[in-house]
Amino acid sequence: DTEVTQTPKHLVMGMTNKKSLKCEQHMGHRAMYWYKQKAKKPPELMFVYSYEKLSINESVPSRFSPECPNSSLLNLHLHALQPEDSALYLCASSQGLKNYGYTFGSGTRLTVV
Amino acid sequence: EDKVVQSPLSLVVHEGDTVTLNCSYEVTNFRSLLWYKQEKKAPTFLFMLTSSGIEKKSGRLSSILDKKELFSILNITATQTGDSAIYLCAAANQAGTALIFGKGTTLSVSS
Repeated sequence: DTEVTQTPKHLVMGMTNKKSLKCEQHMGHRAMYWYKQKAKKPPELMFVYSYEKLSINESVPSRFSPECPNSSLLNLHLHALQPEDSALYLCASSQGLKNYGYTFGSGTRLTVV
Repeated sequence: EDKVVQSPLSLVVHEGDTVTLNCSYEVTNFRSLLWYKQEKKAPTFLFMLTSSGIEKKSGRLSSILDKKELFSILNITATQTGDSAIYLCAAANQAGTALIFGKGTTLSVSS
């Protein structure tokens, strides 16, 4: 298995909803990442997990809450989002922080209404 | 502040043309430069360049890194409509904590 799987592929949520994005990989990668990508912009780093511990939080608002329950799984919990949070949320993984063979998931297209 | 600059931002060519995409970088403790192709969803990996002057090739695509001049180019020969995409360049530093992406070059290949 050489893929990063993200679910759901599309999500529409209201500003008062609570939802979660899920990312899974079975390549034995120990670093996992959340990126946010707005239309026609490059991906922007949100969070980095290394060996299931949060390594980097790029000053992301607390309405985004990451969780890494085990080495294969990375979640992003969403609560009280704003319409401007609508974007493509990409998960990526790599063997370790210093290995740049990033594999990206196909993303979750999030729309906040 | 670390930055990656790509040019041109957009490019329109005809099938069969050869294109060159540019990427310059200013990254503290630079380690590697990566190229990705992004169509509708996730970026797909093309090349990782760590050493200067060594060309990497994959079919009609090739790329090279110049660590002295701090830039890389991505060449696509005999372009096809399927090459239409956004091409992202990203730099990684020694700490390896994240990739610094350029804004991308949008390539449109018309038949």
